[in-house]
Amino acid sequence: GQQLNQSPQSMFIQEGEDVSMNCTSSSIFNTWLWYKQDPGEGPVLLIALYKAGELTSNGRLTAQFGITRKDSFLNISASIPSDVGIYFCAGPLMDSSYKLIFGSGTRLLVRP
Amino acid sequence: NAGVMQNPRHLVRRRGQEARLRCSPMKGHSHVYWYRQLPEEGLKFMVYLQKENIIDESGMPKERFSAEFPKEGPSILRIQQVVRGDSAAYFCASSIYAQGVEAFFGQGTRLTVV
Repeated sequence: GQQLNQSPQSMFIQEGEDVSMNCTSSSIFNTWLWYKQDPGEGPVLLIALYKAGELTSNGRLTAQFGITRKDSFLNISASIPSDVGIYFCAGPLMDSSYKLIFGSGTRLLVRP
Repeated sequence: NAGVMQNPRHLVRRRGQEARLRCSPMKGHSHVYWYRQLPEEGLKFMVYLQKENIIDESGMPKERFSAEFPKEGPSILRIQQVVRGDSAAYFCASSIYAQGVEAFFGQGTRLTVV
């Protein structure tokens, strides 16, 4: 079945550094979503990508929909302490527009 | 405009008891989705409901789990005779349109079975 593999699993970064994480699949996705989950909270949608090759920004966040439609990347520029959390990629299963599959997440830890 | 409201936020149940989790969707949203998150994992789809209808329950265990979204009131996820393996965070999401892509998630209910 469709699976999403996220890397890295976790990362420590220094405040002010740029961060990159990615999500890959052996299957094609028509939509890529990036969420952030703070401890004890639900996931919050950061960026949605709908077209192969699309590059979309949301403040310091930039995400790209891979040309092959099998991967996506999320970059965070000039990280700050409130960027701490778990970042999930997700996408709808091919046989459904509503059933999202999530990656296992990238845990971001920032050293102040 | 309040977001998706879930209650309780935390629920502790002894093995064999019943757990009832409630979800009030955002105003104007008639599509509700339930997801389960085990520790250190991503969310996994359980069930999709519209008012008074279960559209897709393919992700829900066949036994002990049920969900409803009545004409009036919140959506309910019900787990009968809970076991330790049911301990997880359960999230509800809602959307205006019939696609989960534009869904908004609630804060979740963390169920602990002791």
